[in-house]
Amino acid sequence: SAVISQKPSRDICQRGTSLTIQCQVDSQVTMMFWYRQQPGQSLTLIATANQGSEATYESGFVIDKFPISRPNLTFSTLTVSNMSPEDSSIYLCSADLPTGLNGYTFGSGTRLTVV
Amino acid sequence: LAKTTQPISMDSYEGQEVNITCSHNNIATNDYITWYQQFPSQGPRFIIQGYKTKVTNEVASLFIPADRKSSTLSLPRVSLSDTAVYYCLVGDNNQGGKLIFGQGTELSVKP
Repeated sequence: SAVISQKPSRDICQRGTSLTIQCQVDSQVTMMFWYRQQPGQSLTLIATANQGSEATYESGFVIDKFPISRPNLTFSTLTVSNMSPEDSSIYLCSADLPTGLNGYTFGSGTRLTVV
Repeated sequence: LAKTTQPISMDSYEGQEVNITCSHNNIATNDYITWYQQFPSQGPRFIIQGYKTKVTNEVASLFIPADRKSSTLSLPRVSLSDTAVYYCLVGDNNQGGKLIFGQGTELSVKP
């Protein structure tokens, strides 16, 4: 089955700075997504990372705050910009599996703490 | 996208069968029902997916009535390692649709 690697696995950042999270899939996939999971909560979809075009953001999330890149079919990045303590959360990427399999695969997440 | 409703939490004991029911009254014709499992500090893991009737794999069974307005995830003979949050999702992810997570059910398995 496809494997998704996220880097970094965790980070502690100063408020006002930005962090870029990388997501690498070991096979080409059509769809990649970015989620946020706040402590003790469910996952909230941030955006769909579209290959070769601008990401599609969900209500409440904007490109200036969460710029996303998807340069090819195996890689995507999410940047959390101008961070505040409220951005402390786990950020996860996911991707659809190659043809013939069901369900999406998720990375293990990036635990971000903003101080 | 169809909204799902699940119990917030459930308790069980090792060796018991656990059934978690999910309501999805507004499920669309093209929607599949998918269940994920999430352990602390990990991303969700796909468990099972179905469209109607019954689906069984090595991990669980999924029961879906004819009207598809609900579904039940059945975990046979749970162990302590099955303690996790279980999410029920509906969507057309077979066509690459986005997945929207509900609140999930926190299952606690006790010795």
